[in-house]
Amino acid sequence: EAGVTQSPTHLIKTRGQQATLRCSPISGHTSVYWYQQALGLGLQFLLWYDEGEERNRGNFPPRFSGRQFPNYSSELNVNALELEDSALYLCASSFSSYEQYFGPGTRLTVT
Amino acid sequence: KNQVEQSPQSLIILEGKNCTLQCNYTVSPFSNLRWYKQDTGRGPVSLTIMTFSENTKSNGRYTATLDADTKQSSLHITASQLSDSASYICVVSWGTSGTYKYIFGTGTRLKVLA
Repeated sequence: EAGVTQSPTHLIKTRGQQATLRCSPISGHTSVYWYQQALGLGLQFLLWYDEGEERNRGNFPPRFSGRQFPNYSSELNVNALELEDSALYLCASSFSSYEQYFGPGTRLTVT
Repeated sequence: KNQVEQSPQSLIILEGKNCTLQCNYTVSPFSNLRWYKQDTGRGPVSLTIMTFSENTKSNGRYTATLDADTKQSSLHITASQLSDSASYICVVSWGTSGTYKYIFGTGTRLKVLA
């Protein structure tokens, strides 16, 4: 069974640009979670999508947004990038809000 | 305020030794507690998950305990190996069905030396 996949692996953007990160959940999982992990810091919850709807949102500004597609894959968009947005962005999927399975992450570097 | 605190922040041990990592939480209503292992630059991998009624669970050389009364959990690693070098993250889930929320600890960074 394939695990959670994320793309791209690495992404380099300049300040002010927009970044789009993608996540494909494990087959059968309807929930997708997005987390930010800045260097040396813990995981910070960003967004939770379930059945195509945004269910919960962490304490992040509106320029962090996303969506979930009918096939349950998800996109995370970060607009007007700032230097402090540089981090590892992790996606996790689950079924019925129970065990979360994480993807390998996308490392975003903002210069 | 719902919080998850882990200790120590970092730990260095010699290969073959045992170690214990701690996780204290203050969340309500408690749903479950998980321990994840995260290699540098990679996504976390689940080690154990425990609900309110479980007080110990093992996964190979990893044994997690949970004391729901004191709201404490520990992760014991037996006969450590170099590959155990990683960050270990405690995650507490709280809320009710359909509205679960997750709080992540900042992790314990373990370094196993030869």
